[in-house]
Amino acid sequence: DTGVSQDPRHKITKRGQNVTFRCDPISEHNRLYWYRQTLGQGPEFLTYFQNEAQLEKSRLLSDRFSAERPKGSFSTLEIQRTEQGDSAMYLCASSRGRGVDGYTFGSGTRLTVV
Amino acid sequence: AQKITQTQPGMFVQEKEAVTLDCTYDTSDQSYGLFWYKQPSSGEMIFLIYQGSYDEQNATEGRYSLNFQKARKSANLVISASQLGDSAMYFCAMTKKSKETSGSRLTFGEGTQLTVNP
Repeated sequence: DTGVSQDPRHKITKRGQNVTFRCDPISEHNRLYWYRQTLGQGPEFLTYFQNEAQLEKSRLLSDRFSAERPKGSFSTLEIQRTEQGDSAMYLCASSRGRGVDGYTFGSGTRLTVV
Repeated sequence: AQKITQTQPGMFVQEKEAVTLDCTYDTSDQSYGLFWYKQPSSGEMIFLIYQGSYDEQNATEGRYSLNFQKARKSANLVISASQLGDSAMYFCAMTKKSKETSGSRLTFGEGTQLTVNP
């Protein structure tokens, strides 16, 4: 168990470019979540998967955002045509779906759109 | 909808003293879970403590305890014997379900920046 890993740690991109982030959850965790955290705020829920099924999406997840979790393992979050307002920390978390130790977070991907 | 309110943007405490970080919540759910996370400058969210809505005893984990007052809808975090390494952002969060069926989304507050002074 090496925890939840996210790649890359930092990404700087020009406005209008597409970016993709990856999250590798803890192997025995069947649930995977994406959150967005802007400076000085708490994380906001974006979407979550149970195995490969995307069960819930926030209204924050505009049409430019898409997330996948093929085969119920790692997940990717893609942002198309990035805007400056997309600059944030993108956090991934995973859980077994039960138990008090619940959610394990990764260290996040910090996106800066210039 | 669930809502978490943390009214203290920043708190200061002397090393070795205790500090209480406030958290109030609003929900219409009967069954829910309350969490506290620590976020150092490195960015990762570190789980500290959990309280289920039906738990009769206040949760404790080492130097952390949760002062759960259900009628007042508050879930304050108490850190005893503060250490310099406790300086970080602290977030209160909640889910719709209790620990037996956890796994739904977390709703976070805006956080409290704690600074421990030597």
